Amino acid sequence: SQQGEEDPQALSIQEGENATMNCSYKTSINNLQWYRQNSGRGLVHLILIRSNEREKHSGRLRVTLDTSKKSSSLLITASRAADTASYFCATPQYAGGTSYGKLTFGQGTILTVHP
Amino acid sequence: DTEVTQTPKHLVMGMTNKKSLKCEQHMGHRAMYWYKQKAKKPPELMFVYSYEKLSINESVPSRFSPECPNSSLLNLHLHALQPEDSALYLCASSQVGKETQYFGPGTRLLVL
Repeated sequence: SQQGEEDPQALSIQEGENATMNCSYKTSINNLQWYRQNSGRGLVHLILIRSNEREKHSGRLRVTLDTSKKSSSLLITASRAADTASYFCATPQYAGGTSYGKLTFGQGTILTVHP
Repeated sequence: DTEVTQTPKHLVMGMTNKKSLKCEQHMGHRAMYWYKQKAKKPPELMFVYSYEKLSINESVPSRFSPECPNSSLLNLHLHALQPEDSALYLCASSQVGKETQYFGPGTRLLVL
């Protein structure tokens, strides 16, 4: 089953506006990641926030994590047309002593930024 | 080199064909992954290789056969696929013990 659920499913804004996407998850996590996917292409890692962090910034991106509510948000400030893409949160699960994360992705938010 | 490459970009095959997808990375990553992604859905994990050994098979049908011939290469052999197997197939890699994965551009597969 999918670990993360995201909302909104789709978001349409004008260039220069801010875009906020939310992700909820069900089980305990070590970290949460956000990825971007341009139409029909591979995913690009944007940012990783660890369970002991509450907020993290990277350029125009701001990610928050609330482990008590099992939720995270991604804020893109001053959006550009080039930000048009699908955005996924992803959480790793570890099993059997493995040292890598089996990534489970949320359903994704489709962001459209109009010039 | 921080790229994961995948070939071919597009593939059309009949249900009786045998084909292979190829993935390559030169970042020294020893964990490699295959994902399947249907339209407007998130990627779903299929297989994980760690140190060239299959670590996770997410109950994938045997018509999909992965292979990791060396630390840089990952193949996915396809045989007797069904039309519902049409999807974008993504390869990814990571350092073992690190959570960030690096994705290739994918192979868009159409099964007729």
